[in-house]
Amino acid sequence: AQKITQTQPGMFVQEKEAVTLDCTYDTSDQSYGLFWYKQPSSGEMIFLIYQGSYDEQNATEGRYSLNFQKARKSANLVISASQLGDSAMYFCAMRAAGNTGKLIFGQGTTLQVKP
Amino acid sequence: DTGVSQDPRHKITKRGQNVTFRCDPISEHNRLYWYRQTLGQGPEFLTYFQNEAQLEKSRLLSDRFSAERPKGSFSTLEIQRTEQGDSAMYLCASSQTGGSTGELFFGEGSRLTVL
Repeated sequence: AQKITQTQPGMFVQEKEAVTLDCTYDTSDQSYGLFWYKQPSSGEMIFLIYQGSYDEQNATEGRYSLNFQKARKSANLVISASQLGDSAMYFCAMRAAGNTGKLIFGQGTTLQVKP
Repeated sequence: DTGVSQDPRHKITKRGQNVTFRCDPISEHNRLYWYRQTLGQGPEFLTYFQNEAQLEKSRLLSDRFSAERPKGSFSTLEIQRTEQGDSAMYLCASSQTGGSTGELFFGEGSRLTVL
């Protein structure tokens, strides 16, 4: 069965510093996609970054980068130059097997950025 | 494009009452998903539509839950005879088949409190 594990319930980071949020996954599929979403207190899930299993390069989107280590089945999110507005809950997700396009989410990590 | 919208944003009801949530997806998206999220947890998949066809239902979707997407556009999620355990955020998401990454676009959610 496919599974996403986020082992850090909460993280603190100083403003302007970088932070890494951990994510490990389990799947027997050869082709899969990994996602990170941000959920501020307003509740909306905001898509941040995507990594395909066959992508040779680690994905980057502005201050977000994904440290993809396929052999270790990890897809950690790195946020550089943290800002106060980065304080939110962050979810790692995997596209489920089959053709539904649905995502399977981890339990999330709450990030607090300190001024 | 106004994004995915959900209504109502908040609903407080007494145990045993019926509630209905509405989701309007992004207009050109043919896929629509409902998720449930309890406090401090990641979203859990409930059901999925492709156009008007409901193609997958989670075992979390008990007989008291029903979802429809009658014309392949907006969707409703009805909960009958609500229980306190139904208290959660109900998230709707949409996507388009064949999208570049397959990301889901989420609404801001409908928060249900059952007293």
